[in-house]
Amino acid sequence: VQMTQSPSYLAASPGESVSISCKASKSISNNLAWYQEKPGKANKLLIHSGSTLQSGTPSRFSGSGSGTDFTLTIRSLESEDFAVYYCQQYNEYPLTFGSGTKLEIK
Amino acid sequence: EVQLQQSGPEVGRPGSSVKISCKASGYTFTDYVMNWVKQSPGQGLEWIGWIDPEYGSTDYAEKFKKKATLTADTSSNTAYIQLSSLTSEDTATYFCARTGSWGNWFAYWGQGTLVTVSS
Repeated sequence: VQMTQSPSYLAASPGESVSISCKASKSISNNLAWYQEKPGKANKLLIHSGSTLQSGTPSRFSGSGSGTDFTLTIRSLESEDFAVYYCQQYNEYPLTFGSGTKLEIK
Repeated sequence: EVQLQQSGPEVGRPGSSVKISCKASGYTFTDYVMNWVKQSPGQGLEWIGWIDPEYGSTDYAEKFKKKATLTADTSSNTAYIQLSSLTSEDTATYFCARTGSWGNWFAYWGQGTLVTVSS
């Protein structure tokens, strides 16, 4: 399953809201996770099952979608949110990731 | 607290092999599948394969079947990945990642191990 993530780069200001899209090449039901990558830190699971927040994920993060189209939304950006985000499908093997979205401060 | 502590950076000569470790703590090692993921410099993430530490069973992405060998030592709660016949294409950071409680997402990640292939 190919995962097409967009945009690859996003600039926003603290307090703004942003959305990241992830499209699967075929239906993956809701078997999608979102991760955050920050330098010097272990990758962090934010959301699984398309929209279920992992314990500890702030409520300003939300996930939506099913089938082939998914969205990660971050409301009221905080400084700690500027990072790289990846989606991943786990509906079938091989497990595959989106190409990543780098979220930078404007 | 679940922790996955990976071994330090490795330098391997072309044609040689390297073996990276991932020591797990904070949970029952045999209860969860361990995955390995590759990140080439400046690139995204590629899933390499998984190992079930309880049974030693494995599965690999087609691309890595001749490249990677996954093993696990239940006496030390440590998972390993061995990369063979190294080429410049193997220069990357390798991560171990444990699956979630009931799905194949990656609930916990190691910090990554940089492998550099250089003569």
